[in-house]
Amino acid sequence: GENVEQHPSTLSVQEGDSAVIKCTYSDSASNYFPWYKQELGKRPQLIIDIRSNVGEKKDQRIAVTLNKTAKHFSLHITETQPEDSAVYFCAAKDYKLSFGAGTTVTVRA
Amino acid sequence: DGGITQSPKYLFRKEGQNVTLSCEQNLNHDAMYWYRQDPGQGLRLIYYSQIVNDFQKGDIAEGYSVSREKKESFPLTVTSAQKNPTAFYLCASSPSPGADGYTFGSGTRLTVV
Repeated sequence: GENVEQHPSTLSVQEGDSAVIKCTYSDSASNYFPWYKQELGKRPQLIIDIRSNVGEKKDQRIAVTLNKTAKHFSLHITETQPEDSAVYFCAAKDYKLSFGAGTTVTVRA
Repeated sequence: DGGITQSPKYLFRKEGQNVTLSCEQNLNHDAMYWYRQDPGQGLRLIYYSQIVNDFQKGDIAEGYSVSREKKESFPLTVTSAQKNPTAFYLCASSPSPGADGYTFGSGTRLTVV
């Protein structure tokens, strides 16, 4: 089955700086890569996703890049704000979603 | 509440008891999923169902059981065979088994007392 690894497990950034989270996957058949944001005790919310036929996608301050050859994808958050503080999960989908272990992001004011 | 409802929000179980977590969706989605979330381990798939009256084991199915008698409902039973059931349980659904977009419920926090 699919195995998704996510790094780092924790990330602390100064407000206004950028944050980068990296994930690798094992199954070359995976073709969909979403990113979820989860605030404490709440449900994961989809923030951005990318499909295997695309190399990069942006949505305001958030961007995701995908390298199919290397089997890795990354989340980039620019101009971080305190409300960006949360746990972020990457995932990869072949026939079902497999999740990374999560990254706790703290934005220092 | 996003079309998928989990209840209760908090659940306490005594050791040796079975408990059932509810998941209901009104999105007309065919596929439904149960995930378990522990600190530092992300979401792990327990069971999934692609269609009514059918379900498959996920990565950590031992000690759990499910049913899918109706399209809208996918209850999860945590049995006494599950040795470490304290966790946050999330239910999700998608329009079809191959669809990309998952909608999550708000979760049930189960604690063994």
